[in-house]
Amino acid sequence: TQLLEQSPQFLSIQEGENLTVYCNSSSVFSSLQWYRQEPGEGPVLLVTVVTGGEVKKLKRLTFQFGDARKDSSLHITAAQPGDTGLYLCAGDKAAGNKLTFGGGTRVLVKP
Amino acid sequence: NAGVTQTPKFRVLKTGQSMTLLCAQDMNHEYMYWYRQDPGMGLRLIHYSVGEGTTAKGEVPDGYNVSRLKKQNFLLGLESAAPSQTSVYFCASSHGTGFNFGDGTRLSIL
Repeated sequence: TQLLEQSPQFLSIQEGENLTVYCNSSSVFSSLQWYRQEPGEGPVLLVTVVTGGEVKKLKRLTFQFGDARKDSSLHITAAQPGDTGLYLCAGDKAAGNKLTFGGGTRVLVKP
Repeated sequence: NAGVTQTPKFRVLKTGQSMTLLCAQDMNHEYMYWYRQDPGMGLRLIHYSVGEGTTAKGEVPDGYNVSRLKKQNFLLGLESAAPSQTSVYFCASSHGTGFNFGDGTRLSIL
């Protein structure tokens, strides 16, 4: 059992549709980060959320940190093929800069 | 500005062989990490370092050793490779907010 559970594991949608990826835990995190990873490359940081209830937007991507700092969501509006990739959430429990990763959500946006 | 560089990119080993994975960062980051990535399991922390000359165990340290003799380099060693160590290995560095990852080393143990 992973400390951070991501759902769904795989998501296939058509261009223009919306999607939401969830990251859940029973543990409290001091901060939570979202990364996107493309084949053959390392993960790339998208956003860091640190305050319970915080919402951050990055163009068509909206990130939310749960009020209790145990969960987070990533919402993509009007998805494009360029959004295809593996999305990973990662949490830092004690501000010790040691991240624990979820299992990832593979997103495929078809043109 | 290379960021985090990992060498080699690919390697095939026989069971029982040893090897060292190299990681170099040019961002003057204090923190460095080694993760392994396996299908459906995300990234799992092997070892990490909070500064030159220091190392610590992560979630899955068995079968691996590390060294951080210079601030910019973090080495991961496999003393006697086993098939269970077949994986993609990622190095990362951080200054405290957000990790910078290399592009990985794909390692196969036969």
